[in-house]
Amino acid sequence: DQQVKQNSPSLSVQEGRISILNCDYTNSMFDYFLWYKKYPAEGPTFLISISSIKDKNEDGRFTVFLNKSAKHLSLHIVPSQPGDSAVYFCAAGSGGSNYKLTFGKGTLLTVNP
Amino acid sequence: KAGVTQTPRYLIKTRGQQVTLSCSPISGHRSVSWYQQTPGQGLQFLFEYFSETQRNKGNFPGRFSGRQFSNSRSEMNVSTLELGDSALYLCASSPGGAYGYTFGSGTRLTVV
Repeated sequence: DQQVKQNSPSLSVQEGRISILNCDYTNSMFDYFLWYKKYPAEGPTFLISISSIKDKNEDGRFTVFLNKSAKHLSLHIVPSQPGDSAVYFCAAGSGGSNYKLTFGKGTLLTVNP
Repeated sequence: KAGVTQTPRYLIKTRGQQVTLSCSPISGHRSVSWYQQTPGQGLQFLFEYFSETQRNKGNFPGRFSGRQFSNSRSEMNVSTLELGDSALYLCASSPGGAYGYTFGSGTRLTVV
């Protein structure tokens, strides 16, 4: 049972435009959500996070939105840059058991110059 | 400061063999977690250690095991390797929980 779903395996956008990556979850116990970026031959690197008490968190060009009623979160990248091309993973955890994260399968973002 | 170091980076093993992977966490980090990444499957949690104790374990068969030493370095072992064990194995360390992960670059295991 996949508790964190990223339904788009890939996304292609033009440089300068907005990239929107989506993630859905099924477990109501999740109360903390993170996005990681992964380049080939490297480990994932933390990008941005949001707790369930908020519905938006911003960090520079990156904004994460959380819709708890829909069990949906999204990552917006504005403006997109070619260096943003990578695989993006959505992850979720619960405060009651913060010893692990549940990851989605990832979305490959390609930003074309 | 030094990051999370995983060795070896690449490994080729034959079915039925066993393998041991190593992870050295960031200095001061006491929690080490292991994840398996296979094509199209995302990252799947294997186990987490804190101060030499396994606190949580994922849904993997008993062939997958791990341990943590007093200096927080961790090893994971896979016995009786199967073709399906071919994957990127990632180690992540943090001061205490899952929300402060720093990942290593991983060990790419190929089973032939």
